[in-house]
Parts: sequence; C-alpha cells; structure tokens
Amino acid sequence: DVKVTQSSRYLVKRTGEKVFLECVQDMDHENMFWYRQDPGLGLRLIYFSYDVKMKEKGDIPEGYSVSREKKERFSLILESASTNQTSMYLCASSFPRGRVYGYTFGSGTRLTVV
Amino acid sequence: DQQVKQNSPSLSVQEGRISILNCDYTNSMFDYFLWYKKYPAEGPTFLISISSIKDKNEDGRFTVFLNKSAKHLSLHIVPSQPGDSAVYFCAASANTGNQFYFGTGTSLTVIP
Repeated sequence: DVKVTQSSRYLVKRTGEKVFLECVQDMDHENMFWYRQDPGLGLRLIYFSYDVKMKEKGDIPEGYSVSREKKERFSLILESASTNQTSMYLCASSFPRGRVYGYTFGSGTRLTVV
Repeated sequence: DQQVKQNSPSLSVQEGRISILNCDYTNSMFDYFLWYKKYPAEGPTFLISISSIKDKNEDGRFTVFLNKSAKHLSLHIVPSQPGDSAVYFCAASANTGNQFYFGTGTSLTVIP
C-alpha cells in the first residue's frame, strides 16, 4: 500500500522553539506539498517542491522554511514557533502533472505551540 | 483570494436521505476537479473526480455534477450513511499546472 508518512501525529512545542516536521513518501513522487488546515480556512498551501533541492512558496510561507535533500523526504521547518502556528499540518505528494487522482496525503501532524 | 469556495461550513442529513455538498470556483482555467473526504486526525483521501469535458461522474453512491457556465460543482451522496460523516473538500486545478486549490470544507453529519 502506497504511503505518505508524517513522523509525528501530535506535537507540543514552546514558543520560540525551532520545530521540524518530517514527511516521507514511498511512491517515487516528484511533487511534494505542505499544507496547514484550520477551521473555516480549509487547506492552505505553505510550500511545495517539484524536485530534489527545489522549493517554491505557497500562499502562506511566512514563518516557515522547507528542505528537500532526497526525493522521498520533504521537511517543514518552523524557525521560531509561535502560537498562531498551532494547526494541523498535512503533507502530500503526487506525480508531475498527475492530476487524475490528485494528491496522496499523510495522516497529519497536530501541532500545538504553547 | 479564495479561488474555490464551499459556502456551507456544515450540513446535517438523516441516514438514507441524499446529501448535497456544493462548491463554487472563480478561475475559468480550472478544468479538473476532485472531492476529498477527511476524518478527524486523518489525512484527506480521494473520493471522486471530474474533468471539464464531462458534466457528471458517478461512482457507487457518489455522483459529482459540474456546471461550467455557473462555475459550480456538487457532490451527491445517495443514500447517506453514518460512516459518511466527515469533512469534504473540493479541489480544482488548471491544465497549466498540477497544483490543486482547495475549498474551505463542509462538515457532513449523517444522523442515524
């Protein structure tokens, strides 16, 4: 069964901490995405990557960075966590121009910043 | 600006009845649409899709309708079951890229 795996289901971090969210996919997908989901706001794109070492800003990149050193792994970094970054974070992957089935999502990481 | 909109945050339906979830979009370049279903504490999973060359696509209890002139699509679930209770997201993409744009979601509750 193909998978997108996010390393943590739940995380609690303190304000100002540097936070790493990891995502690994085993489908040999070129494209990887990071979204956050908030009530009433839906899924908002933070960053995406179409290839190794490549990254593009999404709609809400402020306060975040990403790293893609290997094809299967896409990391989201909160440089200095703040309470307004408390959210559900979802990683997704897809083939290039693979629109038929859209994205495959991970199970999500519920991050709480206190 | 939100290019894909789901104006109903929530919907409650009796078991066995029809559930209709609506989605509107503004970008006329969108030509491929998906519906995702999301349970709490899980990632969204693909449900059904439709291309702009069609106006209807059916898969079991789920049917998606597309009205291109109105820039509107809807998801019909018949008959609704308690296990259908989830948040439903519509998503759209244009042929010029493979990024999907998501709506804000509709939380469906099917009452036994």
